[in-house]
Amino acid sequence: AQKITQTQPGMFVQEKEAVTLDCTYDTSDPSYGLFWYKQPSSGEMIFLIYQGSYDQQNATEGRYSLNFQKARKSANLVISASQLGDSAMYFCAPPPGTASKLTFGTGTRLQVTL
Amino acid sequence: NAGVMQNPRHLVRRRGQEARLRCSPMKGHSHVYWYRQLPEEGLKFMVYLQKENIIDESGMPKERFSAEFPKEGPSILRIQQVVRGDSAAYFCASSPTHWGAVHYYGYTFGSGTRLTVV
Repeated sequence: AQKITQTQPGMFVQEKEAVTLDCTYDTSDPSYGLFWYKQPSSGEMIFLIYQGSYDQQNATEGRYSLNFQKARKSANLVISASQLGDSAMYFCAPPPGTASKLTFGTGTRLQVTL
Repeated sequence: NAGVMQNPRHLVRRRGQEARLRCSPMKGHSHVYWYRQLPEEGLKFMVYLQKENIIDESGMPKERFSAEFPKEGPSILRIQQVVRGDSAAYFCASSPTHWGAVHYYGYTFGSGTRLTVV
């Protein structure tokens, strides 16, 4: 069974600064990777970015990038130039593989301050 | 191209009543997943369905909960005889195939139905 760990229940960052949200996972699946989702206060789950273990480079999507470290089995989300609208819960999840279901971490609540 | 549509957005039920939550997947998506989110917690998987088939219901409570995805129409999550502990946000997600393009686009989630049992 996969185990996903987000060790930061809450984070603060000043506007325009960069912030890194941690996510590690424990799996024996050689095709592991990670999804990141954002959940603002309005409640919807928004897909941000995905990193596959076979991807040659760290995934990047606008201000979002992943710091993927295979040996540590971690794919930390880096948000550059934080904006007030980035304040939200952030969840990571490994791909479901044959299990079909996403197993989310406990999440990190990010608060962007002025 | 509408996303995953869930309705109602908010639902209030008295204890003992039935709750019906609807989910229309994205156009072209034939896989539907239901998740539950208790306050201040992450999403927990409940059930995975394809058209007319339940593929994985390992996260469904054994009693009072059922789900279907008929050939025509939305997927329905049904909770009978609701109790206060059923109060949560229920999310539906859809994907085009079992795995396929999911790793590029992720699962697409609906906005959720917030069930309050009074």
